[in-house]
Amino acid sequence: NAGVTQTPKFQVLKTGQSMTLQCAQDMNHEYMSWYRQDPGMGLRLIHYSVGAGITDQGEVPNGYNVSRSTTEDFPLRLLSAAPSQTSVYFCASRRGQLINYGYTFGSGTRLTVV
Amino acid sequence: DQQVKQNSPSLSVQEGRISILNCDYTNSMFDYFLWYKKYPAEGPTFLISISSIKDKNEDGRFTVFLNKSAKHLSLHIVPSQPGDSAVYFCASIQGAQKLVFGQGTRLTINP
Repeated sequence: NAGVTQTPKFQVLKTGQSMTLQCAQDMNHEYMSWYRQDPGMGLRLIHYSVGAGITDQGEVPNGYNVSRSTTEDFPLRLLSAAPSQTSVYFCASRRGQLINYGYTFGSGTRLTVV
Repeated sequence: DQQVKQNSPSLSVQEGRISILNCDYTNSMFDYFLWYKKYPAEGPTFLISISSIKDKNEDGRFTVFLNKSAKHLSLHIVPSQPGDSAVYFCASIQGAQKLVFGQGTRLTINP
């Protein structure tokens, strides 16, 4: 049982490049989310999904796309990277009804856009 | 508009004493409140939660208090241990899906 797995752990992109951050969970969790963590800002919600085929925007969705074709995977796509997207990205998942147990987070992807 | 606020960026406590971390919120529609602990280079890990219909929840050394009239919650750690040194985030859930985080408080436990 690996939990939430994020790849890659580190990435450097040039401005304008695109890439996909991968997230996979093996806990059969319905809910999955992407967050970014910036100094002094806490974690901010980018996009979330309540099940396969269903996604919605969070606080800071601009510049990012998501899709949820399977329960296990929730990739985050950067369409045209900008220096403002330099951040640490966390994927998280949760069983739908177990609100009080919170989300399980991956170990993060540190992205630098130059 | 920051809906969940942690106004203390850092807190230093002596080992064995009580650590009290505070959090304020603005949205009275939040259903659940949670605390997460984060070590460097790791993802946040869930610590403890409380429903909006309760005012206290206890789990071992950790107790969360909720004051709905003041829109304030706090996490008490007793006794504090060196392994408790980490960044602590409070978070709230609205509508069962969206988890909204505070800015975090760095707790340092001194021997």
